[in-house]
Amino acid sequence: AQTVTQSQPEMSVQEAETVTLSCTYDTSESDYYLFWYKQPPSRQMILVIRQEAYKQQNATENRFSVNFQKAAKSFSLKISDSQLGDAAMYFCAYKGAQKLVFGQGTRLTINP
Amino acid sequence: DSGVTQTPKHLITATGQRVTLRCSPRSGDLSVYWYQQSLDQGLQFLIQYYNGEERAKGNILERFSAQQFPDLHSELNLSSLELGDSALYFCASSVGDRGNPANSPLHFGNGTRLTVT
Repeated sequence: AQTVTQSQPEMSVQEAETVTLSCTYDTSESDYYLFWYKQPPSRQMILVIRQEAYKQQNATENRFSVNFQKAAKSFSLKISDSQLGDAAMYFCAYKGAQKLVFGQGTRLTINP
Repeated sequence: DSGVTQTPKHLITATGQRVTLRCSPRSGDLSVYWYQQSLDQGLQFLIQYYNGEERAKGNILERFSAQQFPDLHSELNLSSLELGDSALYFCASSVGDRGNPANSPLHFGNGTRLTVT
């Protein structure tokens, strides 16, 4: 079974600084996708960024980028120029042939 | 707006009761997923349907059941409710292309908050 591990229950960063959230996963599948979802206090699940496993190039979406290390099964999220609105729970997720499996989440606090 | 609609937004009921949560997927999406999120916890996968058929099952209790109808909307039925069933229940949908099932991100509804008293 696939598992996703986020080893940082909580992280904090100063506004305008850069922060990196860690995620590792375990799978025997060759075709899969990785995602980062954001859950603000409203509890809505918002897709932040996704990475295709077959692509070596790291995905980027504005201030959000990933560091995908396939051999190490690592998928970290970097947030640049942190903003107060980035404060949320961040979930790393793995999707293979079927279901989406989530990590336990990292609560990110932005300090003004 | 993700395009996934969940009703009701909030539900308060007593132990032992039965409730039905409803989900309308995004237009064109064939797969529907149900997740449970307890307070300050991650999302636990319950069940997935694809075009009316059950495709994957997670840690769904026997007291819980779901179905996907011909119009692709889905319902999650929770019976004999216990205090521990209080949670946020999310529905998500994806295109769910059988040829490349991984190539379809999930889009989440805003959830139904269930409180069992």
